[in-house]
Amino acid sequence: SQQGEEDPQALSIQEGENATMNCSYKTSINNLQWYRQNSGRGLVHLILIRSNEREKHSGRLRVTLDTSKKSSSLLITASRAADTASYFCAPLQNTDKLIFGTGTRLQVFP
Amino acid sequence: EPEVTQTPSHQVTQMGQEVILRCVPISNHLYFYWYRQILGQKVEFLVSFYNNEISEKSEIFDDQFSVERPDGSNFTLKIRSTKLEDSAMYFCASSEGQLSYEQYFGPGTRLTVT
Repeated sequence: SQQGEEDPQALSIQEGENATMNCSYKTSINNLQWYRQNSGRGLVHLILIRSNEREKHSGRLRVTLDTSKKSSSLLITASRAADTASYFCAPLQNTDKLIFGTGTRLQVFP
Repeated sequence: EPEVTQTPSHQVTQMGQEVILRCVPISNHLYFYWYRQILGQKVEFLVSFYNNEISEKSEIFDDQFSVERPDGSNFTLKIRSTKLEDSAMYFCASSEGQLSYEQYFGPGTRLTVT
């Protein structure tokens, strides 16, 4: 298993703006998952995108995957204060062991 | 909506004592996990469990740790002879399947070793 590297480390935006965070990884994957963690609380699964998929949507979330560049992005549209959290990507290949990086800390100001 | 639950929410114990952290996974899930997060650090994988056996464990998961599914609903993490450095949030997670399935996390147990 491998760790994803999220970028940027921190992001501050106003409510209503879009937030984009990126994830890079090193080796081939079966799927890549995005999770959110509110401060000190459990992680919440957001989206799973498989290696043969290029884009996936869930509500205000849009995830893209570029396996040639070994990268993924998470877009949150029309952000809300409640979206304030840390966001993590977890690239997976032949394992279900999630390896989390330091994440992107998103702050959405009302 | 089904959710993973964990008890207690906060456990304080003295160094050298044994603690058992409890989790109730989502009922139709077959794969179970423990993770931990030391304050201010990354969430770290400890162990995965399937079919009453450990599937995979990390270097952190040494002989001090053990997991058990004592009945059809609970999944426990036992830490024998706790150390100060075991102080952390411990998260249980469960999943329907193994490779392309999301993991559902519980709210965590904050373990404080004094």
